[in-house]
Order: sequence, then C-alpha cells, then structure tokens
Amino acid sequence: DIQMTQSPSSLSASVGDSVSIPCRASQNISTYLNWYQQKPGKAPNLLIFGASSLQRGVPSRFSGNGSGTDFTLTIANLQPEDFATYYCQQSYSTPRTFGQGIEVETK
Amino acid sequence: QVQLQESGPGLVKPSQTLSLTCTVSGGSISSGSYSWNWIRQPAGQGLEWIGRIYATGNTNYNPSLKSRVSISVDTSKNQFSLKLTSVTAADTAVYYCAREDFNYGHNFEYWGQGTLVTVSS
Repeated sequence: DIQMTQSPSSLSASVGDSVSIPCRASQNISTYLNWYQQKPGKAPNLLIFGASSLQRGVPSRFSGNGSGTDFTLTIANLQPEDFATYYCQQSYSTPRTFGQGIEVETK
Repeated sequence: QVQLQESGPGLVKPSQTLSLTCTVSGGSISSGSYSWNWIRQPAGQGLEWIGRIYATGNTNYNPSLKSRVSISVDTSKNQFSLKLTSVTAADTAVYYCAREDFNYGHNFEYWGQGTLVTVSS
C-alpha cells in the first residue's frame, strides 16, 4: 500500500494568512494526488485533482503543486469558511489511501 | 447533478453483517468512466477506502478488509451495495459512498452525505 503522510495534525492561522499544507507519499505517485476539504458532519469536498488542477467551483485562492512524493496545498488569503480539515489522497494505485488530515484552526 | 444517498441500518450487532446501499440519481450508474466506491471514517479519525465496483461488476477491495467485504451493483435500480461480515466495534464509522471519475485524474468528485453505523449489542 502507498502510505500518505500529513504532518502536523493541525495548523493555526488567521483570516488573511497564506497557509501551506504538506503531504508526502511513500513512493512515486507522479501527479495522481487529490486534495479534499472536510467540515464537521459533512462529506469531503474535492478541491484539487491531478496535484494542481482546480476543481470547478472551487475558489482560486486554493492551489496545489508537487509531483513524485512531495505535494503542497496552498490557501492564499485564508477566509473564515476555510477553517476545516484537509486530506490528501493518492489515486496512483489501489488500495486508494488518504493522509491522516491536517486541521486548519483559528490562531 | 449527480447525487448519492446511503441507506441501511444504523445499528449492527457484533459478529453480524453490515449491509448498506447507495442509490445514485442524476445519472446512470452504467454510463461513463466511473467506479463506485465505499469509504469509511471512524469518529475523529481519517478516511479509509473500503473498495469499489464498476458497472461491469468488476471489483477491487482494500486488502485489510478483503476477507470480509463484498460490493455488488444493481444497474436496473441504479444502486450499489456493501456487505461487511463479522463486524466488531472497530467497524463503527460513518460510511460514505462516492463516485470515482476517471475522466479527470481519478478523483472522488461526488459523495453521499454519509451514514453512521454503530456496532454494539
């Protein structure tokens, strides 16, 4: 199985900040990497697919980059609705695997 | 707009079989380059992929659950289903169904709202 590592488990930030959320794969996954946002009691919501492609309807302040084993989700100009948990997920092989998630919380 | 909706018992006794169904609306389960997936999330924890099925009936399962999992599809009802046998408290989780799209990078674009299944006597 491909292990996806997200650390730390939480990040503190303020409205207007730029936040970078890391994700590392245990082996080369090219750009088969997706990012999801999850709010309490809700299903995850796709933000970025293919490491850097913005899902339709997602604000342009979200961006993704990386390839191989190291990836980053960046949120520019953090908004109040962006405080949530963010998961990376590899779609290179089965079983599909997710990172443990990073919670972006209010500083 | 594609929608997915999970249904099934919210309480299952230990050692019994968990059975859930996902009903797809707004699109045919038989069309397009998609797989139909089950994913679960224990309270306060991360997401675990359980497995997937294609409209053809082909399946892939997570090896960690493979001996206990079965996913089936009923194209006439536009539904797919999950069975998990010999459940324990460790199987208590919110269970989601989701569509994986192979057209644009293999991602879970559409999810059900999730259903909580508790394993308890």
